[in-house]
Amino acid sequence: AQRVTQPEKLLSVFKGAPVELKCNYSYSGSPELFWYVQYSRQRLQLLLRHISRESIKGFTADLNKGETSFHLKKPFAQEEDSAMYYCALLYNAGNMLTFGGGTRLMVKP
Amino acid sequence: GAVVSQHPSRVICKSGTSVKIECRSLDFQATTMFWYRQFPKQSLMLMATSNEGSKATYEQGVEKDKFLINHASLTLSTLTVTSAHPEDSSFYICSASSASGGAGNEQFFGPGTRLTVL
Repeated sequence: AQRVTQPEKLLSVFKGAPVELKCNYSYSGSPELFWYVQYSRQRLQLLLRHISRESIKGFTADLNKGETSFHLKKPFAQEEDSAMYYCALLYNAGNMLTFGGGTRLMVKP
Repeated sequence: GAVVSQHPSRVICKSGTSVKIECRSLDFQATTMFWYRQFPKQSLMLMATSNEGSKATYEQGVEKDKFLINHASLTLSTLTVTSAHPEDSSFYICSASSASGGAGNEQFFGPGTRLTVL
């Protein structure tokens, strides 16, 4: 069965410090992975997806099939990055998402 | 981007009553809608998937008679929590996708509905 694991419930860094939010997955099929972000009192929104190989708001994530990881990184954290981050895996022929437990990122001034 | 709305945003009801939550895609046709449940400080758990015009597919452990899902049109899905009890209190979130499958599908999420059962 598919599974997404985010080992850190809380990550606290100072402004300007590098950030890495960890995500590991297990899936027998070809993985399609996403990062979603939920800012305070806002809805869940897509941050980035691995197939796009894009950088959004300075965040990047590389799919590492050997390590079954899809860690989210940003070289210099900003206070406005403080939010809940969820890693998600698309499965069932690309029709359903399973989410990791989420990591709360707090960026201190 | 695509917008999904939910109504109501918050509902408080007495134990034993039924509560209906609506999920609407405002500017696109949602072939597939999803219902999630989120407990405090926990992740989203998929409850069911519904395709327009067909019966919903429920995840293991989710009572289909308890959580009735109707997806009557391409822009509206409803979740009815029947005979609600305090343990049903949670944050219910819907999402919608304009495609029926395939890589790269994006789900657009509603703002959620907080249900409190007294």
